[in-house]
Amino acid sequence: EAGVVQSPRYKIIEKKQPVAFWCNPISGHNTLYWYLQNLGQGPELLIRYENEEAVDDSQLPKDRFSAERLKGVDSTLKIQPAELGDSAVYLCASSSSDEQFFGPGTRLTVL
Amino acid sequence: GENVEQHPSTLSVQEGDSAVIKCTYSDSASNYFPWYKQELGKGPQLIIDIRSNVGEKKDQRIAVTLNKTAKHFSLHITETQPEDSAVYFCAASHRRALTFGSGTRLQVQP
Repeated sequence: EAGVVQSPRYKIIEKKQPVAFWCNPISGHNTLYWYLQNLGQGPELLIRYENEEAVDDSQLPKDRFSAERLKGVDSTLKIQPAELGDSAVYLCASSSSDEQFFGPGTRLTVL
Repeated sequence: GENVEQHPSTLSVQEGDSAVIKCTYSDSASNYFPWYKQELGKGPQLIIDIRSNVGEKKDQRIAVTLNKTAKHFSLHITETQPEDSAVYFCAASHRRALTFGSGTRLQVQP
C-alpha cells in the first residue's frame, strides 16, 4: 500500500514569494492533516480535514496561509507571502481512525 | 488545550541496553497515545500506540505503559540496536487532535 505522498520534498524561495505544497493521502483515508515542524520540535497541527471540510483550522495563520482539499482526496497548502520565520518542515498526514500516518514532508527554506 | 511534556531530550545507551522515554499529559479527556520514530529527513513513523482503556502494550522489543491517574505514559525499548537511533515523539490525542511532545534523541552506541 502506498503511503502519504508529498511534493516537493524541498523548496527554497525568497521572502515575500508565494509557495504551495501538495499532499496525496493514503487511499481510503478520509481525514487529512497538515502539520508544521520546526527544527528540534514536535509537529504542530495547522489544519485538519474530514473529507472536504476543514474541521479544525484554529492554528492556521489565516492572514498568509490557506489550504484546500478539493474532492476530499488531495490537498494543497499555500503560503502567500512567505516570511523568514516560515522556514520549517511541512508534514501531511492521513487517517481513517485514530492512527495517523505521515508523509516525508516538504522542507521549506525562506531566504 | 492539551500539553505534553517529554523527557529526557537526549538519551545515549550502549547496544543491548534498555531505553526508557517518559511523557506526561494535562488533558484528562485524552484517550489515545501514539509513539512515533523519526529518522533524519523522514516523516514520523508510528511504532506503537495505546488507548486509555489499556495499561500496557508490547510489540516485540517495544512496550508502552499508561498510568491514567498520574497522566503519564512511557516507551520502553529493550535490547537496543544501532538502527533504533532516531528521534522519538510521544503524543496525546482527543478526538483525533494530536499534541506532540518535544522529542527524545536516542543514540545507541555499538
